[in-house]
Amino acid sequence: GAGVSQSPSNKVTEKGKDVELRCDPISGHTALYWYRQRLGQGLEFLIYFQGNSAPDKSGLPSDRFSAERTGGSVSTLTIQRTQQEDSAVYLCASSSQTRSVNTEAFFGQGTRLTVV
Amino acid sequence: GENVEQHPSTLSVQEGDSAVIKCTYSDSASNYFPWYKQELGKGPQLIIDIRSNVGEKKDQRIAVTLNKTAKHFSLHITETQPEDSAVYFCAASMDYSGYSTLTFGKGTMLLVSP
Repeated sequence: GAGVSQSPSNKVTEKGKDVELRCDPISGHTALYWYRQRLGQGLEFLIYFQGNSAPDKSGLPSDRFSAERTGGSVSTLTIQRTQQEDSAVYLCASSSQTRSVNTEAFFGQGTRLTVV
Repeated sequence: GENVEQHPSTLSVQEGDSAVIKCTYSDSASNYFPWYKQELGKGPQLIIDIRSNVGEKKDQRIAVTLNKTAKHFSLHITETQPEDSAVYFCAASMDYSGYSTLTFGKGTMLLVSP
């Protein structure tokens, strides 16, 4: 398909373990966002990548969270030493925004992370 | 940074009625305002957007209005149908030097009863 793909769709992990969440954006999209959505809550910004620019990491809640985007395409969100409060749906979005024009952000289905 | 407030948090209407969801934003530099619909178990999907050079935009039963002076924008859904039931998010975005933010409101759960 041509949409944003996230994997895994569901992840159950034990407290204290590390997890990696993957996002495959739409081909050619230069902008990529990660958001966290707790149950029944809104979208909490985590990190933003735009082309080769330095990412905006201002939304990462702690140093246990990190993200990479290799080759301007696939992105991985890593959570180290997971805690129960990390349980949420992690959403990735990509868009083809240029340097001065915003365009539609397309979201993936999300990864539901449960820390037990 | 930008702050987006969205009201109401929940909205129940009868099928055929209109629904209005309102958002305010804090940063006057924001210039792009999308609305997303999120159905249960799915990612948000864009339903309509508006840019700062336009005051109103319509797409069939959906319309969005923008008041830049007051820094608020609204989503209007007419002739609501049960399939409109979902969570709706507003967002505000600004561009500068190739960098863009996308800040969301907390969402409105719309329930349309048959």
